[in-house]
Amino acid sequence: QKEVEQDPGPLSVPEGAIVSLNCTYSNSAFQYFMWYRQYSRKGPELLMYTYSSGNKEDGRFTAQVDKSSKYISLFIRDSQPSDSATYLCAMRTGNQFYFGTGTSLTVIP
Amino acid sequence: GAVVSQHPSWVICKSGTSVKIECRSLDFQATTMFWYRQFPKQSLMLMATSNEGSKATYEQGVEKDKFLINHASLTLSTLTVTSAHPEDSSFYICSARENLGANVLTFGAGSRLTVL
Repeated sequence: QKEVEQDPGPLSVPEGAIVSLNCTYSNSAFQYFMWYRQYSRKGPELLMYTYSSGNKEDGRFTAQVDKSSKYISLFIRDSQPSDSATYLCAMRTGNQFYFGTGTSLTVIP
Repeated sequence: GAVVSQHPSWVICKSGTSVKIECRSLDFQATTMFWYRQFPKQSLMLMATSNEGSKATYEQGVEKDKFLINHASLTLSTLTVTSAHPEDSSFYICSARENLGANVLTFGAGSRLTVL
């Protein structure tokens, strides 16, 4: 079983839709949870990171962590064509970072 | 915020030659840098962890003599692909962690290597 599981998609939604991206994990030692956005042929850029269970909001993005279920989510409201990218979840314990496979998202105008 | 610069962004070389990729932390000192390889539509594959002033730690299956990593200063790590072959063609990405307590990684823009 992989440390971090993420549905690779692809996911295609119309502009303005709410997007839900999810990851599950098996290691209860993970303490920090991150979401990165990666455009084609570019390096990943950090969108959000959270530590505790609950929600964290930043503009149109909301990160949600449920440690009891070992499940994290990223919600994108009012999705835009510029949100089309691959979204990677990442988790950290100690000096080790673990990444999901990434979900490819396309927002159709 | 933290910025990591990676150079070159794109390189083509002949088979048998060596290619060096640089990763610089521009506004912070990076005690730890990571090198990843990414194939099309796949996730990041960690190659090695580079610690300033010490030898890199390579992941299982990564040839350390093939992929030479040097982290000689707190702001610079280099990856040299020696005697490159077409199967080494890939997207290489570095990331840096500002200090041992930093909770996130900052990534470079990546370097696309094509070996002819």
